[in-house]
Order: sequence, then C-alpha cells, then structure tokens
Amino acid sequence: QSVLIQPPSVSAAPGQKVTISCSGSTSNIGHNYVSWYQQVPGTAPKLLIYDNDKRPSGIPDRFSGSKSGTSATLGITGLQTGDEADFYCGTWDNSLSGLYVFGTGTKVTVL
Amino acid sequence: QLQLRESGPGLVEPSETLSLTCTVAGDSMIKTSYFWAWIRQPPGKGLEWIGSIYYSGSTYYNPSLKSRVTMSIDTSKNQFSLTLTSVTAADTSVYYCARQEARNWSGHYWGQGTLVTVSS
Repeated sequence: QSVLIQPPSVSAAPGQKVTISCSGSTSNIGHNYVSWYQQVPGTAPKLLIYDNDKRPSGIPDRFSGSKSGTSATLGITGLQTGDEADFYCGTWDNSLSGLYVFGTGTKVTVL
Repeated sequence: QLQLRESGPGLVEPSETLSLTCTVAGDSMIKTSYFWAWIRQPPGKGLEWIGSIYYSGSTYYNPSLKSRVTMSIDTSKNQFSLTLTSVTAADTSVYYCARQEARNWSGHYWGQGTLVTVSS
C-alpha cells in the first residue's frame, strides 16, 4: 500500500499537455526530493525528473516537474505516441526507520 | 556508460531462499555518492523498493521485508547481491537492481530486470 497517491490514468490527444499529481505527506514529499520515472511496459523504469524539477541529460524539456508542500506534479507537453507508458513518482519517507517509496503509478494514454 | 545486469534463478520453490546478483560495468562501485539498490515489481503491479547498500556495506531495508532480506556487496568483483528468505507466491516479481544517488535517492541507472517466479 503506497503512501504516494497518483491518479490511475490520464489521457490526451497528440500535441496536448497532461499533468500527473503525486500526493504525499510531511514525512515524505514535504521534506525530501521527488523523482519521476517512466516505464514502458516490459522495460525497466527510466528516470525523467530528479530533485523535484531537474532533468537528466537526454530527457527533453517537454517533461517538467514541480513540488509544492506535500504534493508533486509531472507535466508532459507536446504529447507523443511514444510517451505512452506508466509513470511513477518516488521519494524518501522519514517514517519508521525510513524507506524509499514509489507512487501508485499513472498510465498515460495518447488518444 | 554505467550498465547493471541482474542474474540468478528464474524459479524458486515456496519457503526457499531467493538469491540474485547484480553485476556493475562501466564504473567503480567505490563511490561515496551512490547507493546500490534492489527494487521489485509484481506482474501488473507497481514498484516496491526492497533496500539499498552503500559501498562500505551499510544497508537500508524496507521495514516490510527487513526480517527476510539481506544485501551484500563485493566491490572487488563489482557485484552486489540480494537474498530473500522464506519466499511465497507473493514474492513473484521482476527484480531490478539500480544505482541511486545518495543525496536524493533518485535511481539514475537501472538493470533490465529479471523475473523470479515462486512456484513448486
């Protein structure tokens, strides 16, 4: 049972924009950096965003991240058919002895 | 370019021990900036962090698995390992190894994953 809640699915037409929310608490998002991962079915997750809003080299600027309080958001502009995938947020959680937690995951569909 | 590759049995019997190894190529494992992690994903479900190990051998485990998990590291072989005891069908998953930045726990490099099925 993940402590980071994401919408199960979002969809939009090619060229449009989608946003994916990640809702947490003060023990995780509220005090730690958030990362975002993209996972095409059958492949390993790929890091899209780290430190809330930074992109690794090679990740296009169509992908953006932000954080406010205990929530984070991933934005994808200029949606492409190749963007269809599952997206997960992730962050450290300070509760108990500490653990890394992933969000529940969001399926992005390009209509 | 850093590469990670998981290896180990694809089938484990219930109540037995699951053992996997991750071999790292392209960089030394003796770096203060990184953790080496195991993450798993049951078929059709989300990601679950199992634990992370530092090059010195310090470990961080998911509390929900801590009683059954042991991670170790052999920097001379550029490998780190996972053992999970007393497995059940619920442990059937794709197991990934990854390198995480110690500063923010972000996983920049991942292995391709290996499916481990628990069944008799």
